[in-house]
Amino acid sequence: DVKVTQSSRYLVKRTGEKVFLECVQDMDHENMFWYRQDPGLGLRLIYFSYDVKMKEKGDIPEGYSVSREKKERFSLILESASTNQTSMYLCASSLRQVDTEAFFGQGTRLTVV
Amino acid sequence: QKEVEQNSGPLSVPEGAIASLNCTYSDRVSQSFFWYRQYSGKSPELIMSIYSNGDKEDGRFTAQLNKASQYVSLLIRDSQPSDSATYLCAVKTPGSARQLTFGSGTQLTVLP
Repeated sequence: DVKVTQSSRYLVKRTGEKVFLECVQDMDHENMFWYRQDPGLGLRLIYFSYDVKMKEKGDIPEGYSVSREKKERFSLILESASTNQTSMYLCASSLRQVDTEAFFGQGTRLTVV
Repeated sequence: QKEVEQNSGPLSVPEGAIASLNCTYSDRVSQSFFWYRQYSGKSPELIMSIYSNGDKEDGRFTAQLNKASQYVSLLIRDSQPSDSATYLCAVKTPGSARQLTFGSGTQLTVLP
């Protein structure tokens, strides 16, 4: 079974802290994605990566950065956490091949106080 | 115009009825289409994929694709209360850097 694992299920951080969310997949997928999900707003793409060290901005990259030093790991970084970044964060991965689906991690519910 | 559009709902159907969920997409070169189910507080899980025009059936679920109309749907027969969830339509487009685009989801409630 494909496994996408996010480092934390729940996180509570203080305003201004630097926050790292880690995601690891075990199926050699080229593509990896970070989304945030808020009630009524659906999945919003923050950043994605289609190869090691490659990254592309999604729809809402402001306040975030990412790192992909190894193929299996994609990290989301909140440089200075703010309360409006309180959300559910979902990592996903997929093969580049067009007829394959994306697999999601279990999600990290981040609360910034 | 959003690239992938779904009726936001909420959609309510009685137990045993057919639930019909709809999705339209804007990029004609999109090739792969997926339906995910997401329970409250959980991550999305794939329930159906469809790549060619027509119907694809899997148990109580049927996905329908019409590329000419840029339309994909999901039918759930004999709906159960356990089907109550948000259903996300996703479209994969070759040649697009991000490849995968999600709709905003339709919330389905099946009433006992």
